[in-house]
Amino acid sequence: NAGVTQTPKFRILKIGQSMTLQCAQDMNHNYMYWYRQDPGMGLKLIYYSVGAGITDQGEVPNGYNVSRSTTEDFPLRLELAAPSQTSVYFCASSYKGGSGNTIYFGEGSWLTVV
Amino acid sequence: GENVEQHPSTLSVQEGDSAVIKCTYSDSASNYFPWYKQELGKRPQLIIDIRSNVGEKKDQRIAVTLNKTAKHFSLHITETQPEDSAVYFCAASRGNNDMRFGAGTRLTVKP
Repeated sequence: NAGVTQTPKFRILKIGQSMTLQCAQDMNHNYMYWYRQDPGMGLKLIYYSVGAGITDQGEVPNGYNVSRSTTEDFPLRLELAAPSQTSVYFCASSYKGGSGNTIYFGEGSWLTVV
Repeated sequence: GENVEQHPSTLSVQEGDSAVIKCTYSDSASNYFPWYKQELGKRPQLIIDIRSNVGEKKDQRIAVTLNKTAKHFSLHITETQPEDSAVYFCAASRGNNDMRFGAGTRLTVKP
């Protein structure tokens, strides 16, 4: 049982490039999330999904896209990378979305846009 | 939407002392308040949480208190140890898709 797995762990992108951050969970969780964490700041929700085929915007969705074709996978796509997207990205999951359902985080992906 | 403020941003204590971190929230409908610990370069991990129908919860050296009227909640760590050094985040939500995090408190426990 690996929990939430993210790849890559580190990546440097040039301005205007695109990339996909991969995320998979093996806990049969329905809910999955993508957060970004800027230096000295808390986590901000980018997108979330309540189940396969369903996604919705979080607090800071601009510049990102997601898909949820299976229960296990929730990739995050960055189109036309900008320096403002330099951040640490965390994928997470929870069994349900209701208040009190523990959110489990992946190990993070450090992205630098130059 | 919900807004969570966390203080202090940095906290340094001597080993064995207590540490207190405070958070305020704006949405009176929020009913779940978790605390996460994040060690350097690692993922955030849940250490304790409290629901709005409870005023206090304790787990060994860690306790959380909630004042719904004043809309603030606090994390208390007693008998601090060097391994408690980390960044601590509070959060508030009505559901996981609207959870809002505080900016974090960097706790340093000096041996």
